[in-house]
Amino acid sequence: EAGVAQSPRYKIIEKRQSVAFWCNPISGHATLYWYQQILGQGPKLLIQFQNNGVVDDSQLPKDRFSAERLKGVDSTLKIQPAKLEDSAVYLCASSFKLAGGTYNEQFFGPGTRLTVL
Amino acid sequence: AQSVTQLDSHVSVSEGTPVLLRCNYSSSYSPSLFWYVQHPNKGLQLLLKYTSAATLVKGINGFEAEFKKSETSFHLTKPSAHMSDAAEYFCVKRSNDYKLSFGAGTTVTVRA
Repeated sequence: EAGVAQSPRYKIIEKRQSVAFWCNPISGHATLYWYQQILGQGPKLLIQFQNNGVVDDSQLPKDRFSAERLKGVDSTLKIQPAKLEDSAVYLCASSFKLAGGTYNEQFFGPGTRLTVL
Repeated sequence: AQSVTQLDSHVSVSEGTPVLLRCNYSSSYSPSLFWYVQHPNKGLQLLLKYTSAATLVKGINGFEAEFKKSETSFHLTKPSAHMSDAAEYFCVKRSNDYKLSFGAGTTVTVRA
């Protein structure tokens, strides 16, 4: 089975510029997550989607970050304008709901490494 | 307070010797716990998971972990390290609402 796809793999931008990342989850996975992984730290959840609805965006810096999943499949994460502290790896993950209402484990994509200069 | 604490930021072992990566968690309930591995420029890959069944969990590539409730620990071990085990390892706790809390990670280097 194909894994979670992300693009681009690397991006370098100047501060105050905007950038967008794309994620295609595993087919059939209704739940999609975006994480931010700063160098030397574990990933931190930014936003969680269930189909095309937002379940949790409490940790998303909404003044500059936005995310959408319009058709409940692919998702984009945007930063506008970028700051130096946004330099990180942005990981996308997906999972699905099991019959009993629980979720299976999350499957992660390779990530997009963002460098803000 | 840290939900998941990985006690070693860096572990260095010789090829063929045992590997031990230590993880402690805090939880008011019996959690689901995972170990993920991240090779350079690759995504996180699930090594193994504990979801309240057997306390000794076997994973891929010869890794295993033991859940010890009395010690609130979930240490990862492998009897014999291979060069390909060099990577970053994350201990992860999943809460009742299925949110993941990651430890800070342990970098493993394997000496030839």
